[in-house]
Amino acid sequence: QSALTQPASVSGSPGQSITISCTGTSSDVGGYNYVSWYQQHPGKAPKLMIYDVSNRPSGVSNRFSGSKSGNTASLTISGLQAEDEADYYCSSYTSSSTLEVFGTGTKVTVL
Amino acid sequence: EVQLVESGGGLVQPGRSLRLSCAASGFTFDDYAMHWVRQAPGKGLEWVSGISWNSGSIGYADSVKGRFTISRDNAKNSLYLQMNSLRAEDTALYYCAKDMGAAVAATGAFDIWGQGTMVTVSS
Repeated sequence: QSALTQPASVSGSPGQSITISCTGTSSDVGGYNYVSWYQQHPGKAPKLMIYDVSNRPSGVSNRFSGSKSGNTASLTISGLQAEDEADYYCSSYTSSSTLEVFGTGTKVTVL
Repeated sequence: EVQLVESGGGLVQPGRSLRLSCAASGFTFDDYAMHWVRQAPGKGLEWVSGISWNSGSIGYADSVKGRFTISRDNAKNSLYLQMNSLRAEDTALYYCAKDMGAAVAATGAFDIWGQGTMVTVSS
């Protein structure tokens, strides 16, 4: 099972919106609505930001939103803030023998 | 306070074994599936293994299948990972993570994470 494909880096200015893509196959992203997104600051544990494609856990800012089209899921961060600078990972359930697969990770830089 | 605390990591020679533990508190442990996720130094996240609330369903990444064994003791609010035949490529920070659901393949959403325990495999 290969990792889901994400861009290595995405950047934006404060206040702007950015979108991170996560591309898989019909065996994972495209086949199930079990896509999650995690934020990880340096030296810290990951934090769940989106689950089931587009749901936000309690306490997560509504500036974060998720969507999916075909085999590609997306995370959009609107009103970009300095504190959003971090690594972001998508994950998905997969019908392969490995039940869960993460994305390659995207470093978000706030210019 | 909801918390997961991992322990048991360390330096181990290739081919040897190590057992990781994760102590849970602040939530009803036996209501949820639990997982191990690892992160090699400077690399991305890799799902390692997951176990359902009642240990009835278990899954492993292909990279560890046959070498690692996940288990849980609901009476002790604890999760374990027995790692055998360790390889250099198993070197990573190992996180314990709580699933939002009870089944191992229910949500794939991990809402609580520990701080991790480092495993270094080297001679």
